[in-house]
Amino acid sequence: ETGVTQTPRHLVMGMTNKKSLKCEQHLGHNAMYWYKQSAKKPLELMFVYSLEERVENNSVPSRFSPECPNSSHLFLHLHTLQPEDSALYLCASSQRASGGATGEQFFGPGTRLTVL
Amino acid sequence: GENVEQHPSTLSVQEGDSAVIKCTYSDSASNYFPWYKQELGKRPQLIIDIRSNVGEKKDQRIAVTLNKTAKHFSLHITETQPEDSAVYFCAASVNQAGTALIFGKGTTLSVSS
Repeated sequence: ETGVTQTPRHLVMGMTNKKSLKCEQHLGHNAMYWYKQSAKKPLELMFVYSLEERVENNSVPSRFSPECPNSSHLFLHLHTLQPEDSALYLCASSQRASGGATGEQFFGPGTRLTVL
Repeated sequence: GENVEQHPSTLSVQEGDSAVIKCTYSDSASNYFPWYKQELGKRPQLIIDIRSNVGEKKDQRIAVTLNKTAKHFSLHITETQPEDSAVYFCAASVNQAGTALIFGKGTTLSVSS
């Protein structure tokens, strides 16, 4: 596998379920991201892990919980979601120079999540 | 916080014409401005970016201009082709590292032959 991969590609879950989205990057990057993409809304940054620094969008509900065990793997744990959380969840990675700026973000194919 | 406005939301041009998409941002500290292209059913891909110490950048048929004083930046595509049809997103960074991006709502560009 090359680039950024995400599993599963599609997920249907009930509001009481607990599930996790997985992202893996094979580019040797040191920054990883979660985005939410809904119809007619901008791409929304949810979380960033970069050089052991975590950036969090304060508007993201606590029912979304990220985990980044190492620089190649990123998870998004989901619990007690709402129907409005149905969206495409995109993972991305980039290379950030130490103390410097980051470069291009490479996106994965996304997980299409439907909450019933 | 940062707000990024993007116009127009849809743009239709004839093959060979030029297309211009404009974005404005609110945070004067923003220093990184990428543009992403997303074809239907595919992932976003970077097409060009510009940093705040540069006023213009060009890559073949694509150019981006930045006016820091007015806090706006624009994407210019010349000699458009049907394969340019896609949704284009502008973004502005909200941290020094450029890792935290705020995106515009996107412009759906349609190029007809």
